[in-house]
Amino acid sequence: GAVVSQHPSRVICKSGTSVKIECRSLDFQATTMFWYRQFPKQSLMLMATSNEGSKATYEQGVEKDKFLINHASLTLSTLTVTSAHPEDSSFYICSVGFRGYTFGSGTRLTVV
Amino acid sequence: TQLLEQSPQFLSIQEGENLTVYCNSSSVFSSLQWYRQEPGEGPVLLVTVVTGGEVKKLKRLTFQFGDARKDSSLHITAAQPGDTGLYLCAGAVGHTGTASKLTFGTGTRLQVTL
Repeated sequence: GAVVSQHPSRVICKSGTSVKIECRSLDFQATTMFWYRQFPKQSLMLMATSNEGSKATYEQGVEKDKFLINHASLTLSTLTVTSAHPEDSSFYICSVGFRGYTFGSGTRLTVV
Repeated sequence: TQLLEQSPQFLSIQEGENLTVYCNSSSVFSSLQWYRQEPGEGPVLLVTVVTGGEVKKLKRLTFQFGDARKDSSLHITAAQPGDTGLYLCAGAVGHTGTASKLTFGTGTRLQVTL
C-alpha cells in the first residue's frame, strides 16, 4: 500500500476560526483520496472523496461549504474546516487507495 | 445506503480466550477488509477478502468472507492483551485496484485483560 502522512496530529482552535488539515501520499501519485470523520467510540464515516484537479464529491449530509477540500496535486489533499464550532470537534482521517487502502494517522480537532 | 453491522459492539475477555466478531450486510461487496485501530491512530489493514467463501489466516486471526459476499467474520484464537483495539470491517464496491470508497462497519471494541 501507499505511505500516507497526515498533519497536524492535533489542533485546538477557537470557535469561528478555520483549520487546515493536510494529507500527503508520500510514495504514490493519488488521483483520489478519501476523508473520514470519527466521533468518540464510533466508526469512521466517509465525508468526501477528493479528486485531483477537480471538485470533491461529498457524501450526503456533509456541508461542502464548511468542509473545503482541495486536491491540487497528486500527492496532497487538504481539508479545511471553516468557521469551526465545538460540534466539529472530531478525529479526521484521510486515506489513499492503492493496492488496498492506507490511512493517515489522523488529526484530532478540538474547537473551544 | 450500504450498512455494515458488526457484533458484538464491545467484548471484554481474558487472555487465552477465543472470540468471533461478525460483520453483516444486506449488500454485496466486491471485497471486504478488516482493520484494527488503536486510540488516536488511523486504522491499520489486517486483511482483504475478495472471493465468496474465502478464508484467510493471519497468525491467530482467521477471516472468512461469506459465500454471497455480504458478510464476514473474524475469529481470534487465544487472545492476547496486544489484540486490544477497535476492529472495523469495511466493504468496497468495485475493484480494490481502483479507488472505490469504503463503507465501514459499526465497529467492535475488544479488550483483552491478563
